[in-house]
Amino acid sequence: DAKTTQPPSMDCAEGRAANLPCNHSTISGNEYVYWYRQIHSQGPQYIIHGLKNNETNEMASLIITEDRKSSTLILPHATLRDTAVYYCIVSPYNTDKLIFGTGTRLQVFP
Amino acid sequence: GAVVSQHPSRVICKSGTSVKIECRSLDFQATTMFWYRQFPKQSLMLMATSNEGSKATYEQGVEKDKFLINHASLTLSTLTVTSAHPEDSSFYICSAISGGAGDTQYFGPGTRLTVL
Repeated sequence: DAKTTQPPSMDCAEGRAANLPCNHSTISGNEYVYWYRQIHSQGPQYIIHGLKNNETNEMASLIITEDRKSSTLILPHATLRDTAVYYCIVSPYNTDKLIFGTGTRLQVFP
Repeated sequence: GAVVSQHPSRVICKSGTSVKIECRSLDFQATTMFWYRQFPKQSLMLMATSNEGSKATYEQGVEKDKFLINHASLTLSTLTVTSAHPEDSSFYICSAISGGAGDTQYFGPGTRLTVL
């Protein structure tokens, strides 16, 4: 079973920041938090991952709470092309298996 | 990022026939590949883990004799759906990782299988 909880859907205006929350209250010390997204009828696309510290790359920022029980993916300036299902996944460092939950369907509107 | 391809992108077959789907890592060597299945409006479900040169590890409930996986080289894994039935119609997606534990998984574009 997936070990994360995400809201089923969110809306965001184009150009605004999209903040996608994820709860992973049972995360273990050796588990990373991964974020992927899936645009309709395509394979998932890697976005970002982290262990403890906040992370940023060209696509997004990942904010992990100090107790690591929740995290937030931030798309700083959402565009229409960011409309997708976003998956938050926790995975042990030594297995690499990704168990997908139901994700958050983000709709970016003009 | 690394590129993973799948072939074919779409396939339609008759019930009872077998279908082979290829997954290739184009610019890196994949020590491990994964196969997922996704039904309409559902999430991805992991089917099996494929390591180069060894037998695949199947998730609980996935029939290994029906879904044959071969990972003969570091850049190619194949999934063969044997004696396909309409309930096998789904979106099949592979992913690959190049390094060891903690490495990023890169996903292929998926293969849409329709069994008539």
